Amino acid sequence: NAGVTQTPKFRILKIGQSMTLQCTQDMNHNYMYWYRQDPGMGLKLIYYSVGAGITDKGEVPNGYNVSRSTTEDFPLRLELAAPSQTSVYFCASSSHQRAGGRYEQYFGPGTRLTVT
Amino acid sequence: DAKTTQPNSMESNEEEPVHLPCNHSTISGTDYIHWYRQLPSQGPEYVIHGLTSNVNNRMASLAIAEDRKSSTLILHRATLRDAAVYYCILRANAGGTSYGKLTFGQGTILTVHP
Repeated sequence: NAGVTQTPKFRILKIGQSMTLQCTQDMNHNYMYWYRQDPGMGLKLIYYSVGAGITDKGEVPNGYNVSRSTTEDFPLRLELAAPSQTSVYFCASSSHQRAGGRYEQYFGPGTRLTVT
Repeated sequence: DAKTTQPNSMESNEEEPVHLPCNHSTISGTDYIHWYRQLPSQGPEYVIHGLTSNVNNRMASLAIAEDRKSSTLILHRATLRDAAVYYCILRANAGGTSYGKLTFGQGTILTVHP
């Protein structure tokens, strides 16, 4: 299994441009998440999904959109990029059926985005 | 969400044990204690979790206080590869409306000296 894959690894955007960060998992996980991590800080939840067709906002959703048309894919859309969106973006997935409270999240390698 | 408090940084020598503390005085009865670590330039990875009893796995041990208001992650013999940011996270029961969401703090930066 490849686990959680993210593309691209790096991207530089100009202010006002748009882009989509791709995330795919091959573990048949129902739960998927998008986080951002600013330098020296912990991760903040942007959006999450509990299954195909179901998404909800996390802690910092402004400036982003998501969709979940399949179990495997959970793309994150940035509209009108701003310098404040310069960050490292991590996608993660988790099974909703795990005994003993584990429900561990598996993270992708991240996308480093710079907006100038 | 219940919060955790961790030291900003800790140092250890290679081959020595490391005890990483975490305070969570507002923990609820159904919160699980999770530990993740983030190696440089990588996404976080799961280390261990527990509810009430101490736990061991191949990576580490988790010691949970009897009142559950604190816990300690124990690395029995630190290696250079253990240098990372360690996050102590309280995760609500995923069977409710939390959907397994994790709230990351700033974590503890562990430096391991050769």
